[in-house]
This record gives sequence, C-alpha cells and structure tokens, in this order.
Amino acid sequence: EAQVTQNPRYLITVTGKKLTVTCSQNMNHEYMSWYRQDPGLGLRQIYYSMNVEVTDKGDVPEGYKVSRKEKRNFPLILESPSPNQTSLYFCATTGTGGGEQYFGPGTRLTVT
Amino acid sequence: TQLLEQSPQFLSIQEGENLTVYCNSSSVFSSLQWYRQEPGEGPVLLVTVVTGGEVKKLKRLTFQFGDARKDSSLHITAAQPGDTGLYLCAGGTGNQFYFGTGTSLTVIP
Repeated sequence: EAQVTQNPRYLITVTGKKLTVTCSQNMNHEYMSWYRQDPGLGLRQIYYSMNVEVTDKGDVPEGYKVSRKEKRNFPLILESPSPNQTSLYFCATTGTGGGEQYFGPGTRLTVT
Repeated sequence: TQLLEQSPQFLSIQEGENLTVYCNSSSVFSSLQWYRQEPGEGPVLLVTVVTGGEVKKLKRLTFQFGDARKDSSLHITAAQPGDTGLYLCAGGTGNQFYFGTGTSLTVIP
C-alpha cells in the first residue's frame, strides 16, 4: 500500500530541546516536502527536496532544517524549538512531473 | 510570498443546497489543485486543473480554472453531509506549492 508515514504523531516539548520529526514514503517519489498548518493561514511550505541531497527553502524555513540522505526519508529537524513553532506538520511526496501530493497523517507539535 | 485567498472561510449550509468556493491570487500558476481535508488527517487530492478556462466535473463537484490561471472555483451541487470538511486550493509554480487559507464546509442534515 502506497503511504507516507510520520513519527511521532503527537509531541509536546519544551523550548530549546532539539527534536526530529521523521517522514518516510514507499512510493519511490523524488519530490518530498514539509508543511506547517496553522488556523487562518492554511498550509505553508517549509522545505522541499527534489531528490537525494537536494533541498530548498520553501515559504517559512526559519528555525527548521531538513536532510535527504535517502530517497524514502525526509526528516524535519528543529534545533531549538520555540513556542511559535507549535503547529500541525505534514510531510508530502509527489511523483516526477508534479501532480498529486500525497500527505502523511500529520504531527501535532506543542512547544511550551 | 504568493498568497492564495479562499472565500468564504467558513460555510454552513443545509443538505441539498448548492455552494461555490473561490480561490483567488494575483499570481499565475502552472497548475491548480483542490484538496479536501478531514479532521486528524492529511489533505487528499480532488482534482488538478492545468489549462486556463478548464472545467472539470467530479460527480456533484465542478472545478473551474480561470482564463488567466490566477483563480479557480469549486461548485458543489446538492451538498450532502459527507461533503463536510476543509477544502483547500493549491497553486503550483516551479518547484513550489502554495496553499490557500482554506474553506471549512459544514453540511447540516
């Protein structure tokens, strides 16, 4: 079954404590991206990756890092989380040529 | 930042009514997608439109892409409670995607 998995699904942490949200896809897609979703703001792209070792900033990259060492994995790293990064995060993947984005189930992050 | 604005932000209607959701931008997009999102889940694609003026129908849903490829609309005929959800438009340009602010639809039985 084609799917995008994210872990953890829920996370409560404190300001400054480094964390990583993992994302994995089994569709052999080259394009992967991270979004955050906030009320009234919709989904905003944080980072995207066109292929292994190729990553680019999206609309709201400040405070986030990503890596793409393998095609299937695209972890999101918050080196020093702050309360304004409390949000719902989605990982997504797209096949070559653009088209449909397949989203993971989401990670709800709370930073106190 | 290329912003896609959706209207209305919230919509509550009775079962059987028709409705239209709008997605507008000052930017031109190579493609525009509509997604539906249910609570606790990620968005799921409904349709992709790529040609200015294009109209696509998906059962009771009709999607239209503006001639200038800056705006789009989603029309639902005879809404049903199962249509309840958050509707999102998304514009693609280059390698990036920009999402609209969302329309939360509630269909009351």
